[in-house]
Amino acid sequence: DAMVIQNPRYQVTQFGKPVTLSCSQTLNHNVMYWYQQKSSQAPKLLFHYYDKDFNNEADTPDNFQSRRPNTSFCFLDIRSPGLGDAAMYLCATSSGSYEQYFGPGTRLTVT
Amino acid sequence: AQSVTQLDSHVSVSEGTPVLLRCNYSSSYSPSLFWYVQHPNKGLQLLLKYTSAATLVKGINGFEAEFKKSETSFHLTKPSAHMSDAAEYFCVVKPGGYQKVTFGIGTKLQVIP
Repeated sequence: DAMVIQNPRYQVTQFGKPVTLSCSQTLNHNVMYWYQQKSSQAPKLLFHYYDKDFNNEADTPDNFQSRRPNTSFCFLDIRSPGLGDAAMYLCATSSGSYEQYFGPGTRLTVT
Repeated sequence: AQSVTQLDSHVSVSEGTPVLLRCNYSSSYSPSLFWYVQHPNKGLQLLLKYTSAATLVKGINGFEAEFKKSETSFHLTKPSAHMSDAAEYFCVVKPGGYQKVTFGIGTKLQVIP
């Protein structure tokens, strides 16, 4: 089945230790998104790629970076995680302006 | 600019009774509208979508929603709640031709046995 895959599902990192979350898709969608979702809140868009074009949200901290080496993969790098970065990170894809398909998420814990 | 208002942060229903989750929107452009469901510690699953075709949209798991332009509403309904429907539901608006969406704050549905 075509899908959006996120690894790992659960990630524990130490305060200040860089961490990378990964997302892959078999849908061949040209748009990929990264969201941050904190408890009992709606997902908050961090950035998205339209093909190779990177689009950063104005309020996304510089601590968050992203890479998209090819159509199928997208990575979220958190350079120096703080306690406030503990959250669920959701990857989503879409084909142009159509609906978004979400992965299962990665739950990040910062100790 | 666009916005989404989910009128209830929590809804509680008894198993077997109807479900109504309310959503109002505003959008400068002809919008697409979506309902997503999120179970605890899971990703978001698309329930249904409105993209300017039929105004009554049927989705998965017996859910449906009606797009009412005059009322700028897109309420989600289900005739009979099941225990497995307990989850968080997000109403989402997407202006035509744009990649980014706007989420409502979510409605937590509790189903009482």
